[in-house]
Amino acid sequence: EVQLVESGGGLVQPGGSLRLSCAASGFTFSNYAMSWVRQAPGKGLEGVSAISGSTGTTYYADSVKGRFTISRDNSKNTLYLQMNSLRAEDTAVYYCAKAGSGWSHYFDYWGQGTLVTVSS
Amino acid sequence: EIVMTQSPATLSVSPGERATLSCRASQSVTNLAWYQQKPGQAPRLLIYGASTRATGIPARFSGSGSGTEFTLIISSLQSEDFAVYYCQQYNNWPLTFGGGTKVEIK
Repeated sequence: EVQLVESGGGLVQPGGSLRLSCAASGFTFSNYAMSWVRQAPGKGLEGVSAISGSTGTTYYADSVKGRFTISRDNSKNTLYLQMNSLRAEDTAVYYCAKAGSGWSHYFDYWGQGTLVTVSS
Repeated sequence: EIVMTQSPATLSVSPGERATLSCRASQSVTNLAWYQQKPGQAPRLLIYGASTRATGIPARFSGSGSGTEFTLIISSLQSEDFAVYYCQQYNNWPLTFGGGTKVEIK
């Protein structure tokens, strides 16, 4: 059974940092691209960042480029999102999501989400 | 950036009736997915490749379309289908989602 479990969310002041983690199980982690998708309270979905399974190719939304860094440790089956210089508009539930097929960025499994609140 | 526009924003449907949801892309895409989201839950994949049902998705859900116009049809709404539905293009980064269609009980 595929499982994705996020952790690391919480309350942080503007300008602060957080690192999100996503522990994956139930599939060959290194074979799949992974992504972070966020949802602000009461709003729709936004693709934040993605990373390939093994080559390390990464993508970022313009809204987070230069502030967020996605990475993965295939030996630990874990995905990360380092978030720096956080802003109020980064407040959202952050979901870890597995690519449906290799590098195809539709998402067949999602974590339960972790809430990040940026506020003073 | 490819902008995805969904219509209507809210659809009021009686149980057992058919629901038709629309999604338009600002430029032609070949890779289109649909998701269902219920309150407090993560999205659930329904359709990928515009028309392929994901594993375990009932046959009452069907996707169609190409280019810039796509449709999700729920043939006979069940109580568990009342939710928000999102389309997503995965042709190009940045990945973009539509604003969602809320399917509510009439």
